[in-house]
Amino acid sequence: AQSVSQHNHHVILSEAASLELGCNYSYGGTVNLFWYVQYPGQHLQLLLKYFSGDPLVKGIKGFEAEFIKSKFSFNLRKPSVQWSDTAEYFCAVKSAGTASKLTFGTGTRLQVTL
Amino acid sequence: GAGVSQSPRYKVAKRGQDVALRCDPISGHVSLFWYQQALGQGPEFLTYFQNEAQLDKSGLPSDRFFAERPEGSVSTLKIQRTQQEDSAVYLCASSSPAGGTEAFFGQGTRLTVV
Repeated sequence: AQSVSQHNHHVILSEAASLELGCNYSYGGTVNLFWYVQYPGQHLQLLLKYFSGDPLVKGIKGFEAEFIKSKFSFNLRKPSVQWSDTAEYFCAVKSAGTASKLTFGTGTRLQVTL
Repeated sequence: GAGVSQSPRYKVAKRGQDVALRCDPISGHVSLFWYQQALGQGPEFLTYFQNEAQLDKSGLPSDRFFAERPEGSVSTLKIQRTQQEDSAVYLCASSSPAGGTEAFFGQGTRLTVV
């Protein structure tokens, strides 16, 4: 069975600080990997995704993530966070190549202070 | 429509009452998913449709939960004899196989059972 582990439950950063959110997954086959963001009162939105190719993936709003297959990791990074990045971030995994279900981590709440 | 639409946005039900939650996916999307998100948790898979066929219902927590998509478009998640542990946000997502299997989420229905 697939599982996703997000190490940080609540992160508080000052504006302009660098961000790294950890994500590890457990799955025996080829995977597609995602980071979703949920701003307060809004729906889940895709930040970025990895299907194949370059393991360093760039997404919207300056976010990027690196897929390290040997470590089963897909950590999310941003060099300089903004107050508007305050949100909940979810890592998710699914079997590659199919329209199968997503397995989510428990999420990381990011709070950016001015 | 432009996105996945869910209704109602909020539902308060008395324990034992039946509820029906509606999902209107993005037009043309073949795949439709229901997820349950408890407070402080990541979304958890409930069931999956490809067109009108329910291909996976392994996540439905009990036989009180029932989902349908009779014409391969709008879907309804029904919960019979609601219990307090059913309180959660119910998310619907749709995807198109031609779209790289990225899932687009609705804003969810927040169900509170009192």
